[in-house]
Amino acid sequence: DSGVTQTPKHLITATGQRVTLRCSPRSGDLSVYWYQQSLDQGLQFLIQYYNGEERAKGNILERFSAQQFPDLHSELNLSSLELGDSALYFCASSARSGATNYGYTFGSGTRLTVV
Amino acid sequence: SQQGEEDPQALSIQEGENATMNCSYKTSINNLQWYRQNSGRGLVHLILIRSNEREKHSGRLRVTLDTSKKSSSLLITASRAADTASYFCATGSYTTSGTYKYIFGTGTRLKVLA
Repeated sequence: DSGVTQTPKHLITATGQRVTLRCSPRSGDLSVYWYQQSLDQGLQFLIQYYNGEERAKGNILERFSAQQFPDLHSELNLSSLELGDSALYFCASSARSGATNYGYTFGSGTRLTVV
Repeated sequence: SQQGEEDPQALSIQEGENATMNCSYKTSINNLQWYRQNSGRGLVHLILIRSNEREKHSGRLRVTLDTSKKSSSLLITASRAADTASYFCATGSYTTSGTYKYIFGTGTRLKVLA
């Protein structure tokens, strides 16, 4: 157990639907990062939050949005889902924003299947 | 776009052999990390090397960094079946907007045969 909790572990939904993925960072970590990993692909950085504020944005589609709540958990909302959105979605956390000497702590991911 | 590109994409070796995988990147970095991912699982941080370091060791892992060639290598010595996984490099750098982020490569799939 890495300390980063992601729910649900698996999600199957139809095209056009909307889903919410949830992440609780490791205790004490203020930064949350979301990554998308498609089949045989590396990790694509989506977005980062630090202490409730958006800090950095990557290749996140307009159909996707995220937020970090006062208790530091984060949610990634995916709407108008398409088949191509099927992927593993990872959340990672770190103690601070910016450069880190200790790496990120990853959750075990949410496997999203759009049918 | 990917910053790091791992090479080879896939590697198959016998238990006890050494495994070497390489990572090349395009822009200046602050540090570089290596992660391991077991099939379908989350990534586990292995080792971080700063841009002013050339070599770092952690147990059976040895990482080198050549900033002039914009490349890094990960060596796993005396490999074990349990080392079977995908290995990713992640380069950390500041963006033009002043934010900092890590960009992951496409990974090397290592299979260690017992």
